[in-house]
Amino acid sequence: DIVMTQSPNSLAVSLGERVTINCKSSQSLLYRSNSKNYLAWYQQKPGQSPKLLIYWASTRESGVPDRFSGSGSGTDFTLTISSLQAEDVAIYYCQQFYSTLVTFGGGTKVEIK
Amino acid sequence: QITLKESGPTLVKPTQTLTLTCTFSGFSLNTNGVGVGWIRQPPGKALEWLALIYWNDDRRYRPFLKNRLTITKDTSTNQVVLNMTKMDPVDTGTYYCVHRGGGGDYSGSYYDFWGQGTPVTVSS
Repeated sequence: DIVMTQSPNSLAVSLGERVTINCKSSQSLLYRSNSKNYLAWYQQKPGQSPKLLIYWASTRESGVPDRFSGSGSGTDFTLTISSLQAEDVAIYYCQQFYSTLVTFGGGTKVEIK
Repeated sequence: QITLKESGPTLVKPTQTLTLTCTFSGFSLNTNGVGVGWIRQPPGKALEWLALIYWNDDRRYRPFLKNRLTITKDTSTNQVVLNMTKMDPVDTGTYYCVHRGGGGDYSGSYYDFWGQGTPVTVSS
């Protein structure tokens, strides 16, 4: 199985500040034939289902605010919230889909300081 | 728009078989590339992918659970059913039905629409 490790486990940030969440995979998620990284990010607000934010490591899903961005390649990836809003309080998960056995990171909880 | 809704028992006894039904709308499981899967989340824990069925009836299962899982589709009723045998308390959690957003031909998938989830407790 490809193991996905997120850091930090949780963080508290002031409104308007930048948030950076890291995700590391146990093997490369870069498919060389198409130069795509098979990595997605989800947001799960309290009591809700997860919501897709980013796929192919950096492609924003339709309707997702542009303060959310994804970057990285190979084994190291980052989700950035450029200016934290109150509605961004949630747990964020990365997911690899390089393997047919998709796996998720353990999640990063984002709170307001 | 695409919607998915899970239904099934909220409480099952150990060793019993769980049957969950996903009723969806807004897309067809006859369309090339479409898939519907199941993902679960134990209380307070991370997400765990279970199974996926494609438009062409190809099926993928979580290897460790493969012997316990069966996923089927009924395109006439727009439903996907997941059966999980030999339920154990560690299978307690919220089970989500999900729509395949994309992925590679020989890889896994990401999921762009999720049902509200259905809670399942395994207890005697």
